[in-house]
Amino acid sequence: QSALTQPASVSGSPGQSITISCTGTSSDVGSYNLVSWYQQHPGKAPKLMIYEGSKRPSGVSNRFSGSKSGNTASLTISGLQAEDEADYYCCSYAGSRTPYVFGTGTKVTVL
Amino acid sequence: EVQLVESGGGLVQPGGSLRLSCAASGFIFRGYSMNWVRQAPGKGLEWVSFISSASSSIYYADSVKGRFSISRDNAKNSLYLQMNSLRAEDTAVYYCARGGWNYDLDYWGQGTLVTVSS
Repeated sequence: QSALTQPASVSGSPGQSITISCTGTSSDVGSYNLVSWYQQHPGKAPKLMIYEGSKRPSGVSNRFSGSKSGNTASLTISGLQAEDEADYYCCSYAGSRTPYVFGTGTKVTVL
Repeated sequence: EVQLVESGGGLVQPGGSLRLSCAASGFIFRGYSMNWVRQAPGKGLEWVSFISSASSSIYYADSVKGRFSISRDNAKNSLYLQMNSLRAEDTAVYYCARGGWNYDLDYWGQGTLVTVSS
């Protein structure tokens, strides 16, 4: 099972919106609406930001939204803030024997 | 408050063994699947292993299959990872993570560093 493909970096100015793509295959992203997104600040553990493609856990800002089209999932951060600068990883269910496949990760920079 | 606390990391020689532990609190441990996820220095996240709530289903990434063994003790609210035949490429921070209801990982520990080097 190969890693999902994400852009290495995405940047934006405060207040802008950015979108991070996550491309998989018909065996993972395309077959299940079970994509999750994680935010990781340097030296910290990952934090769940989006689950089941587009749902936000309690406490996560509504500036974060998720979507999916075909084999590609996306995370959009609107109203970009300095605290959003971090690494972001997508993750998809890929069948019972490979329940989690992560993306390659995207570094978000707030200019 | 959900808490996951890993321990057992350290420096080990290639070919050696190490056992990681994860102590869980703040939730009904026996009701959730659990996972180990690792992150090599400067690299991305890699799922390592899954264990269902009653240990009836266990899965491994191909990179560790046959060398690592996951287990849990629901009476002690603890998760384990036995790592044998360690290689330099196993060097990473190892996180335990709770499996959510929709195949997400909803809570993570702070991680424990495993360094495989001579």
